[in-house]
Amino acid sequence: AQSVTQLDSHVSVSEGTPVLLRCNYSSSYSPSLFWYVQHPNKGLQLLLKYTSAATLVKGINGFEAEFKKSETSFHLTKPSAHMSDAAEYFCVVSASSGNTGKLIFGQGTTLQVKP
Amino acid sequence: NAGVTQTPKFQVLKTGQSMTLQCAQDMNHNSMYWYRQDPGMGLRLIYYSASEGTTDKGEVPNGYNVSRLNKREFSLRLESAAPSQTSVYFCASKSGGGGPYGYTFGSGTRLTVV
Repeated sequence: AQSVTQLDSHVSVSEGTPVLLRCNYSSSYSPSLFWYVQHPNKGLQLLLKYTSAATLVKGINGFEAEFKKSETSFHLTKPSAHMSDAAEYFCVVSASSGNTGKLIFGQGTTLQVKP
Repeated sequence: NAGVTQTPKFQVLKTGQSMTLQCAQDMNHNSMYWYRQDPGMGLRLIYYSASEGTTDKGEVPNGYNVSRLNKREFSLRLESAAPSQTSVYFCASKSGGGGPYGYTFGSGTRLTVV
């Protein structure tokens, strides 16, 4: 069975400084991994996805994530935070069982960006 | 605009009342899903429908029922609402197959049970 753990429930950075949101996964085989973002009172937006192609995945709004099998990690980074990046971020793995397409979500990390 | 439409956006229920959350998609997707979002717990799958005519339980199905009315519509029913069902509910749809592609989420229904 797969699972995903987001290591920080809350991250605070200053505008213009780097962002690092950490995610570890557990999977018995090569997983499909995603990062979603949710702005306050909004739905979920896909930032990026890893599906066993390149290990460094580039997403929207300057975000990227690196799949590291040896560390079972899929951390999300951005070189320079913007105020509009303040939101909740979810690391997600696609479930393996059958043909269901189910997603398994991490607990979420709230990103605060200070002026 | 193409996408997933959820109604209502907000609802307050009294304990014991029933209601149905509606979800419709216009992308001709085969699979549809209902998730609930609670603080500090991410989204958890309640029920899903891999294709028209089929439904299956997810991680937290107790207290809910679903109906896949047709390919477009997938409703979630609370027969006797409880305060523990206070949550934000998201519907999602996906193009066919077991792969991770083509997920689209609705904007959510915020439900409060008092």
